[in-house]
Amino acid sequence: RKEVEQDPGPFNVPEGATVAFNCTYSNSASQSFFWYRQDCRKEPKLLMSVYSSGNEDGRFTAQLNRASQYISLLIRDSKLSDSATYLCSGGYNKLIFGAGTRLAVHP
Amino acid sequence: GAVVSQHPSRVICKSGTSVKIECRSLDFQATTMFWYRQFPKQSLMLMATSNEGSKATYEQGVEKDKFLINHASLTLSTLTVTSAHPEDSSFYICSARSGVGGETQYFGPGTRLLVL
Repeated sequence: RKEVEQDPGPFNVPEGATVAFNCTYSNSASQSFFWYRQDCRKEPKLLMSVYSSGNEDGRFTAQLNRASQYISLLIRDSKLSDSATYLCSGGYNKLIFGAGTRLAVHP
Repeated sequence: GAVVSQHPSRVICKSGTSVKIECRSLDFQATTMFWYRQFPKQSLMLMATSNEGSKATYEQGVEKDKFLINHASLTLSTLTVTSAHPEDSSFYICSARSGVGGETQYFGPGTRLLVL
């Protein structure tokens, strides 16, 4: 079993849609969790940290459920520019990344 | 966010040669740097963790004699792919963590290696 698992997608959604990604992790010792965004042939860019209390940054909301060991990302009012691969990551001392979920937002 | 640079951005070499990739944290001191490899349409795979002034810790299945890592200062880590072969062709990305503010890692722009 992979340490961090994500649905690879792709998620094809129209502009303005709300889309949610989930990610599960197997290492219960993991302390830190993040969502990164990766565009084609580019390096990952930090999108947001993930906390148990949930955190919101504009149209993006991230949530951590330690009991169930999953992380979620909600994107509201999708924009064309949100099209990318979203990587979840978690770990203790080092981050392990999921394979990424592809999002394609169309007009 | 913090800035991490990588050099070169792209390299093409002949099989059997060695290639050195540099990773620099430009505006913060990186106590820890990480090296990842990513094949097309696949996940980032952690290769090794490097702490300044000490030996790197390699992930299972990564040959330490083939992928030499040096982290001589708080702003520079290097990865040398020794005797590169076509199967080593990949996207190599470093990331740096300052040690202040938790586990947040900032990634360099990556190096595309093509071994002919």
